[in-house]
Amino acid sequence: SQTIHQWPATLVQPVGSPLSLECTVEGTSNPNLYWYRQAAGRGLQLLFYSVGIGQISSEVPQNLSASRPQDRQFILSSKKLLLSDSGFYLCAWIPLNTEAFFGQGTRLTVV
Amino acid sequence: AQSVAQPEDQVNVAEGNPLTVKCTYSVSGNPYLFWYVQYPNRGLQFLLKYITGDNLVKGSYGFEAEFNKSQTSFHLKKPSALVSDSALYFCAVRYSSASKIIFGSGTRLSIRP
Repeated sequence: SQTIHQWPATLVQPVGSPLSLECTVEGTSNPNLYWYRQAAGRGLQLLFYSVGIGQISSEVPQNLSASRPQDRQFILSSKKLLLSDSGFYLCAWIPLNTEAFFGQGTRLTVV
Repeated sequence: AQSVAQPEDQVNVAEGNPLTVKCTYSVSGNPYLFWYVQYPNRGLQFLLKYITGDNLVKGSYGFEAEFNKSQTSFHLKKPSALVSDSALYFCAVRYSSASKIIFGSGTRLSIRP
């Protein structure tokens, strides 16, 4: 069966430090992968999506970047975190013709 | 523009009463519609979906939703609410098999004992 892993679960980072969040999918190949951010327990903001290795689409200008180094790996990064980067980050795998599958999320607090 | 709306930020219901969480979508082709639930500090869990077929869709935990094309709505319902149903609920729409999924802003459901 397919599963999606996301880590770490929680992260506290100082302002100006780098960030790397990782998402991996098992049980499928060439998945469409997405990064969302959720602020204050409300709506989901789509940050990036990727339909294949090296292919990244950015939805909103951010202090963040994404990379797809391997077929089933999707990484969210920042060179220098801002306070406003705090939030709950969710990775999702969205296959064709069906619903999205979400990782368990990363709670990022920038201090 | 393709969009989905959840007009209520919060819905409060007494345990045992029926509940409805509203969702409307913008018209464009034949939408795929979804409901998700989120508990604190967790990812979203899939509840149910409408792709085609019967307009009344049954899902997990006793929830159901009705696709109403004339009203462009996909309201989530449950005949008898439980305190454990308290969570954040998201409606989502997809306008083709390969398009992105667009999420609503979420509705916080609170069930009082």
